Amino acid sequence: GENVEQHPSTLSVQEGDSAVIKCTYSDSASNYFPWYKQELGKRPQLIIDIRSNVGEKKDQRIAVTLNKTAKHFSLHITETQPEDSAVYFCAARGYTGRRALTFGSGTRLQVQP
Amino acid sequence: DAGVIQSPRHEVTEMGQEVTLRCKPISGHNSLFWYRQTMMRGLELLIYFNNNVPIDDSGMPEDRFSAKMPNASFSTLKIQPSEPRDSAVYFCASRTQGVPNTEAFFGQGTRLTVV
Repeated sequence: GENVEQHPSTLSVQEGDSAVIKCTYSDSASNYFPWYKQELGKRPQLIIDIRSNVGEKKDQRIAVTLNKTAKHFSLHITETQPEDSAVYFCAARGYTGRRALTFGSGTRLQVQP
Repeated sequence: DAGVIQSPRHEVTEMGQEVTLRCKPISGHNSLFWYRQTMMRGLELLIYFNNNVPIDDSGMPEDRFSAKMPNASFSTLKIQPSEPRDSAVYFCASRTQGVPNTEAFFGQGTRLTVV
């Protein structure tokens, strides 16, 4: 089955700096890669996703890149703000087989004011 | 739409007792997922349903766990008997299967504590 690895487990940045979180996946059939943000005590919520036919997607301060050959994808947050502090999860899902998200282990991002 | 609705939000029970968690998916969604979240193991898929039919229950940890989806608007996850190591946050999520690459929406979760 799919295996998703996520790094780093914790990340501390100064307000205004950029943050990068990286994930790798094992199943070459995976074709959908969402990123979820989870604030303390809350549910995971989608912040951005990318399909396998796209190499990069941007939404304001958030961008995701995908390298299908290397089977890795990354989340980039620019001009970080204290409200970006949360746990971020990457995930992968295929179009066939197990059609449920497999999540990475999460990255706790702390933005220092 | 109210989103995915889970109940109860919090449950504290004694070891050995039966626990039932409930989920109402978003209307029109035909896939439903149960995830468990712990510090040690992160977000783990327990089971998922398509059109009320269980598709993959390989994540269900033991026979003590069972899940049902009697209709398109309701699912339950039951633990009998419960053990302290079952303490976790249990999330239900739903999406529209058959429409490629649509996101899954999560409920607020049920925080289960088994003492």
